[in-house]
Amino acid sequence: EAGVAQSPRYKIIEKRQSVAFWCNPISGHATLYWYQQILGQGPKLLIQFQNNGVVDDSQLPKDRFSAERLKGVDSTLKIQPAKLEDSAVYLCASSLVEMTHLFFGSGTQLSVL
Amino acid sequence: SQQGEEDPQALSIQEGENATMNCSYKTSINNLQWYRQNSGRGLVHLILIRSNEREKHSGRLRVTLDTSKKSSSLLITASRAADTASYFCATDGGKLTFGTGTRLTIIP
Repeated sequence: EAGVAQSPRYKIIEKRQSVAFWCNPISGHATLYWYQQILGQGPKLLIQFQNNGVVDDSQLPKDRFSAERLKGVDSTLKIQPAKLEDSAVYLCASSLVEMTHLFFGSGTQLSVL
Repeated sequence: SQQGEEDPQALSIQEGENATMNCSYKTSINNLQWYRQNSGRGLVHLILIRSNEREKHSGRLRVTLDTSKKSSSLLITASRAADTASYFCATDGGKLTFGTGTRLTIIP
């Protein structure tokens, strides 16, 4: 089966610019997650969707980050404006059963200069 | 915030030896999962152990869970060079929260 697709693979922007990441989960997976992984740390959950509804966005910095999942399939994560501390790998994952056996994409490595 | 904390932070062993890494967590959980991350890649699910289970095996992997001590261990037997990666525990206590990871290096 096809895995979780993410794009772009790498992105370099200047602070205060905006950026968007795209994710296509595994077909049939109702739950979709966005994680932020700073170098040397474990992934931190930013937002979790069940179909196209938000289950948890308690750790999403809502003044600058936004995410949507249209039609319960693809998802986009946006940062506007970016800060230096947003430099990280942004991982998208999906699962058939909520919070069980997540399948991860390869991630988008963001560098904010 | 990180729920789980892995120990050690880094581990280097000779190929063929066994590798053990530990995870401690703070709150009650429904299950605990272990994931592997190769450099520059996404995470791969290895094994899940439910809160009412004490031990689980999958191939060369053995996971134990002690809910009274809020800790888990992952044992990789007969290590191979391809096992070189970072290993993370993830706890389901209402949301899936990852630990800080153990970086495992297998020396050929």
